[in-house]
Formats: sequence, C-alpha cells, structure tokens
Amino acid sequence: GAGVSQSPSNKVTEKGKDVELRCDPISGHTALYWYRQSLGQGLEFLIYFQGNSAPDKSGLPSDRFSAERTGGSVSTLTIQRTQQEDSAVYLCASSLGRSYYEQYFGPGTRLTVT
Amino acid sequence: GQQVMQIPQYQHVQEGEDFTTYCNSSTTLSNIQWYKQRPGGHPVFLIQLVKSGEVKKQKRLTFQFGEAKKNSSLHITATQTTDVGTYFCAGPSNDYKLSFGAGTTVTVRA
Repeated sequence: GAGVSQSPSNKVTEKGKDVELRCDPISGHTALYWYRQSLGQGLEFLIYFQGNSAPDKSGLPSDRFSAERTGGSVSTLTIQRTQQEDSAVYLCASSLGRSYYEQYFGPGTRLTVT
Repeated sequence: GQQVMQIPQYQHVQEGEDFTTYCNSSTTLSNIQWYKQRPGGHPVFLIQLVKSGEVKKQKRLTFQFGEAKKNSSLHITATQTTDVGTYFCAGPSNDYKLSFGAGTTVTVRA
C-alpha cells in the first residue's frame, strides 16, 4: 500500500520568505509527527497530532513554526520568515497512535534557505 | 524528561567484523524500537523489544533489551556494506511520543 508521502521533496527559498511543507500520512493512522534533521544530526521532534486531541507543540523551536492537520489526515508545516538556520530535512511520520506502534517515515523535504 | 543516549556516535568497521551499538535510558522503558536510516534516506523501522531481557534476531542483527528495561543493544555480525547507515533507538517519552537517540553512524571499510 501507499506509504507516507511528502511534498515538495526539495525546496529552496530566500531568507525571510514563508514556506509550506505537506505530509500525507498512511490512511488510518491517527498519529502524525514532524521531525527536523540537520545534516549529519539526529531527529529533532517538532510536533505531533493524535486523533482529535490538541497537538503537542512542545518541540517547535520558535513561533515562526506552526502546523495543522486537516480532517485528521493531511498535515502542513509552515515556517514563516525563514532563516538560514531553518535549512534541514523535515521528516513526517505516521503511526497507529500510541508510542507502542512503529512510526512510518516519509522521504522528507529538504529545505534550503539562501 | 526521558532521554535516550546512544554510543558510540560513529562506528567504523572492517567488512566482515562484528560490532555493537548501545542505547541507554534514564528511565525504565515500556518498549524500545530500533530504526535504520541509509545515507540519503529516511528512518525505517527495524524491530521492537518489549519484554525484560528479550533477544530478537534478524539475520546478522541481534537486538537485546536489558533486564531492567533501561538499556538495549544492537549487535551486527560479519558486517557488510549493506549495513552502512545510521541506527537509531527510540523509547516512549509519553503515551504517543518517541524519544530518539542521536544515532550511531556506521561506515564499512571494504
């Protein structure tokens, strides 16, 4: 079946511009996660959505970052007024819900801020 | 909060040799998961351990969960070039969130 998809795969933007990154989770997965991975680094948790509950935004690095999940499916991560330090790969993952379940990752969006 | 530490950060291995990477938690874990990320790829789930002292094998990979459920290890025998990548362990930090270790990046000398 279809896995997690993300778009765009690559995004180059100028400093100060806003960007939107999209994630399509696996159908039926109630939990959706966003992570950031800088070159050669580990996974930095940003935010997760679980069903109809309020999202856990504890990992968002600044108020320039926001995310929404519409209809319990597709999610959009928005970065406003991008900075060079925002350059990274943004990974989305989905799962059946609780942390007991494995997470399925998408291919990521590579963001470059010039 | 709960943190998961991995050592070593880098592992350079001669092809054919064995190596082990370790994962340690500051708190008892209900389960631990391992993921592999190939260069240029995304993390892919390998396995989950749930029981104290559990050992699971996948071909040349052996995964262990400590008796106290605070540590885990991944042992790879007869390393091959296909083993190149970064191995992450992850444990629950709450009911829905995983805390990932920083990963062990493995390179193989042919």
